[in-house]
Amino acid sequence: QKEVEQNSGPLSVPEGAIASLNCTYSDRGSQSFFWYRQYSGKSPELIMSIYSNGDKEDGRFTAQLNKASQYVSLLIRDSQPSDSATYLCAVNLLSGGSNYKLTFGKGTLLTVNP
Amino acid sequence: GAVVSQHPSRVICKSGTSVKIECRSLDFQATTMFWYRQFPKQSLMLMATSNEGSKATYEQGVEKDKFLINHASLTLSTLTVTSAHPEDSSFYICSAVGTSGRVETDTQYFGPGTRLTVL
Repeated sequence: QKEVEQNSGPLSVPEGAIASLNCTYSDRGSQSFFWYRQYSGKSPELIMSIYSNGDKEDGRFTAQLNKASQYVSLLIRDSQPSDSATYLCAVNLLSGGSNYKLTFGKGTLLTVNP
Repeated sequence: GAVVSQHPSRVICKSGTSVKIECRSLDFQATTMFWYRQFPKQSLMLMATSNEGSKATYEQGVEKDKFLINHASLTLSTLTVTSAHPEDSSFYICSAVGTSGRVETDTQYFGPGTRLTVL
């Protein structure tokens, strides 16, 4: 079983729609969860972190965490063409070893069509 | 806050030469930095974890004598690719974890990356 799994996509949504990105992880005791966005040819940039069950909102982005189901998601409201990128789910797994080390999913490619 | 820089952004070198890449946290102190490599259309691959004042911890399969890492201060880590070969051509990215201040303390902030081409 892969440690952090994402649907690789591509996920295609029309401009203005809600994009929903999903991620599951293997270690039940994991505490820290992150979403990064990576444009083609660029490095990842942090969108949001989440640590507690429930929703966390930041502008058009909402992260949702369900530790019982080992599931974390990212919703992007009013999607814009500029949101087209690969979205990386990252988890600080208990099995990861050193502090702060993240295990990344393979990423979901999102395309927002004008 | 949370600005991480890398230098150079792009480097082209001849096979057999060594290349040094710098990673700096500009507005926060970072006790831990990470070095990643990414090939086109592939996932990030962690190479090593760098802690200030101590030896780096390398991931399995990464040659520590080829990829030398030095984390001499709380704001600077360097990666030296020794005797580079064409197969080392890749996108090298560092990240830094802040200890205090205006950054979340357990979050990795990424530098812009260094694109290495070995001829």
